[in-house]
Amino acid sequence: EIGLTQSPGTLSLSPGERATLSCRASQTFSGEFLAWYQQKPGQAPRVLIYGVSNRAAGVPDRFSGGGSGTDFTLTISRLEPEDFAVYYCQHYDKSPLPFGGGSRVEMK
Amino acid sequence: QMQLQESGPGLVRPSQTLFLTCSVSSGSISSGGYFWTWIRQSAGKGPEWIGRILPSGDTNYNPSLRSRSFISMDTSKNQFSLSLTSVTAADTAVYYCAARVAGRPFDHWGQGTLVTVSS
Repeated sequence: EIGLTQSPGTLSLSPGERATLSCRASQTFSGEFLAWYQQKPGQAPRVLIYGVSNRAAGVPDRFSGGGSGTDFTLTISRLEPEDFAVYYCQHYDKSPLPFGGGSRVEMK
Repeated sequence: QMQLQESGPGLVRPSQTLFLTCSVSSGSISSGGYFWTWIRQSAGKGPEWIGRILPSGDTNYNPSLRSRSFISMDTSKNQFSLSLTSVTAADTAVYYCAARVAGRPFDHWGQGTLVTVSS
């Protein structure tokens, strides 16, 4: 069973700065079934990135995903006020379709 | 645009059974390639996949919850449901219904419903 560990737990940044979030898998998995979600208080998670690096419809191009093997990243090139939220990675190929524990991006 | 809506009691007593229903609008749950899924999220933690049901009725569950979980569907009402037996305080969470297709992550989510287990 694959586990996902996200770091850092919290990132304190200012608008306009760059955010880099990490997701490490406990084992290499086949295919590119790695997604990133954004969650704001009181809302369900929303898909930002799927297939490691593909942006979902309507997602601004300041969001980008990358990585391979066991190490994956989500980068927000220039933080906008609406980007301060919690971000989760997920492996969505084999059950139990694990999520990471999340990284919070908070305003400094 | 598909919409999902959870319904059910917000408070469940310890050792009782939690029962939630997800109503799906726009499209039949008995056709198409959707994986109809339940996910929960405890306060301050990442989401946890509970299990899913296919249009064929085939189910698959998280091993950690398999012995207590049951997902069913009612095609006449376009709904699918979750039963979780023998609940404890550790089952307190926001419960989401969600849908995806093979090869995609969860594109469709309900708004979530908070279930508290307490006497």
